[in-house]
Amino acid sequence: GAGVSQSPSNKVTEKGKDVELRCDPISGHTALYWYRQSLGQGLEFLIYFQGNSAPDKSGLPSDRFSAERTGGSVSTLTIQRTQQEDSAVYLCASSLGPLSYEQYFGPGTRLTVT
Amino acid sequence: AQSVTQLGSHVSVSEGALVLLRCNYSSSVPPYLFWYVQYPNQGLQLLLKYTTGATLVKGINGFEAEFKKSETSFHLTKPSAHMSDAAEYFCAVSLNTGNQFYFGTGTSLTVIP
Repeated sequence: GAGVSQSPSNKVTEKGKDVELRCDPISGHTALYWYRQSLGQGLEFLIYFQGNSAPDKSGLPSDRFSAERTGGSVSTLTIQRTQQEDSAVYLCASSLGPLSYEQYFGPGTRLTVT
Repeated sequence: AQSVTQLGSHVSVSEGALVLLRCNYSSSVPPYLFWYVQYPNQGLQLLLKYTTGATLVKGINGFEAEFKKSETSFHLTKPSAHMSDAAEYFCAVSLNTGNQFYFGTGTSLTVIP
């Protein structure tokens, strides 16, 4: 079946612009995660959605970052007024449930802020 | 605070040699432990995981890892390296008291022919 998909695969934007990154999780997966992977760094947790519960936003680095998940499926990560330090690969993952369940990762969106 | 430490950002082994990738974690509660692999230009995929039960877990491609609570470790091993094992390996921890997964900074494995 189809895996996790993300779009766009690459995004180049100018400093100060807003960007939207999209994630389509695997159908039926209730949990969805966003991570950021900077060069030479591990994965940095950003936000977590589980079913209809309020998302865990504790990993968002600033109020310029926000995310939503519509209808318990597709998720959009929005970065407002982008800065050069936002340049990274943004990864989305979904799973059947939290914590002990395997996460299935998308291919990521490479964001470059010039 | 929880953390995951992967000793050695780069590891090189000869083809056929033992692979040992180290992972230590800090946690005040029993963790769930994972190893993920990222092949060049591909997404992360699960190698193996420990949740409960037997502390030695076997994963795909001949890899295995042992949860040692006394050492707070979950090292990844493979008896004989293959060229196709060259990739980035990430150790991750999750706790049943929260929602987050904590990933290490990764270890890049090079296999020398």
